[in-house]
Amino acid sequence: KAGVTQTPRYLIKTRGQQVTLSCSPISGHRSVSWYQQTPGQGLQFLFEYFSETQRNKGNFPGRFSGRQFSNSRSEMNVSTLELGDSALYLCASSFIRGPQETQYFGPGTRLLVL
Amino acid sequence: KNEVEQSPQNLTAQEGEFITINCSYSVGISALHWLQQHPGGGIVSLFMLSSGKKKHGRLIATINIQEKHSSLHITASHPRDSAVYICAVLSYNTDKLIFGTGTRLQVFP
Repeated sequence: KAGVTQTPRYLIKTRGQQVTLSCSPISGHRSVSWYQQTPGQGLQFLFEYFSETQRNKGNFPGRFSGRQFSNSRSEMNVSTLELGDSALYLCASSFIRGPQETQYFGPGTRLLVL
Repeated sequence: KNEVEQSPQNLTAQEGEFITINCSYSVGISALHWLQQHPGGGIVSLFMLSSGKKKHGRLIATINIQEKHSSLHITASHPRDSAVYICAVLSYNTDKLIFGTGTRLQVFP
């Protein structure tokens, strides 16, 4: 089985721009969670999607949004980028129960905002 | 004070040594995850546990719910074990993962 894939792997944007990141879960997995990792804050939960519905959300501003498609692929969008949004964005998939079961992580998208 | 504390922050060991990484938390949890992150960023889930002890190869994870504490042990450590080990708890109230800051382990031959 193919693992979790994320595209793009690296991205450079400038302040004020917007960005869309994509995550394809393991085949058969219906839950996708997104996380942000920065040197200062470490890993933080962004949101979780299951069956095209946002099931949970972390403490991030409304500039961070996401969605999930009927094939379980998920995208996250960050609008009006700020320097502090530079981070590694990780997605993780699981069968159904999100963080209540083992999660399988993708390689991440490294975003640099200049 | 962070809701999830790990110790030590950094750890160096000689190949073959027994290693222990600790995780203490202050919130009610329904599960605890141990994750391994290699340079380059990739994260692998090592264990998810809600009680007792789990073992996988040279890795052992234990949790004491009453004391709000978990440990990750590595027996016969090897240089390929060098990574950052992250503890994450699933908050019972919010159903969200809260992460520790990680323990950076370096094992030298």
